[in-house]
Amino acid sequence: DQQVKQNSPSLSVQEGRISILNCDYTNSMFDYFLWYKKYPAEGPTFLISISSIKDKNEDGRFTVFLNKSAKHLSLHIVPSQPGDSAVYFCAARPTYNQGGKLIFGQGTELSVKP
Amino acid sequence: DTEVTQTPKHLVMGMTNKKSLKCEQHMGHRAMYWYKQKAKKPPELMFVYSYEKLSINESVPSRFSPECPNSSLLNLHLHALQPEDSALYLCASSQIRQGSNTIYFGEGSWLTVV
Repeated sequence: DQQVKQNSPSLSVQEGRISILNCDYTNSMFDYFLWYKKYPAEGPTFLISISSIKDKNEDGRFTVFLNKSAKHLSLHIVPSQPGDSAVYFCAARPTYNQGGKLIFGQGTELSVKP
Repeated sequence: DTEVTQTPKHLVMGMTNKKSLKCEQHMGHRAMYWYKQKAKKPPELMFVYSYEKLSINESVPSRFSPECPNSSLLNLHLHALQPEDSALYLCASSQIRQGSNTIYFGEGSWLTVV
């Protein structure tokens, strides 16, 4: 049972355009959501997060939107840059969380073309 | 400063060897984690330590043995591994509190079992 789903395994975007990465979840008991970026041969790097009491959080070129009624999360990157090419994972934390356990999606590989 | 340091970066070991992976953080985080990640897959949680005590063991085989000597250090002892254990092993840490507790990952240790 996959509680956090990223249905698009890959996404290709032109440099300068907007990248939209999507994530759906099934468990209403998540209270905190995060996006991580991962380059090959490196550990995941934290990008941005959002609490379930908010519907938007912005940090520079990155904005995360949360639609609780639809159980949907999205990450917008604008403008996209070639250095953004990486695998992006969304993750969710259950409210009954023990010591910070996160549930990860399967990842979306973003390719930003010059 | 959000730094989790892992050593070694790369490790090749035979199936009869005993080796250890090491992790260190100086962010005052009281939760530390071991994750395992295969290429382009999401990180899989192995162990969680909260306040230096093992709080979660995700049914990991006993050939993996974690140790938390103090609040800054986390080790993963490896013995009699199988080739299928070859993966990127990620250490991570976070605060323990209600609300946001982002998990920060290290760069990982690439393990190859031959």
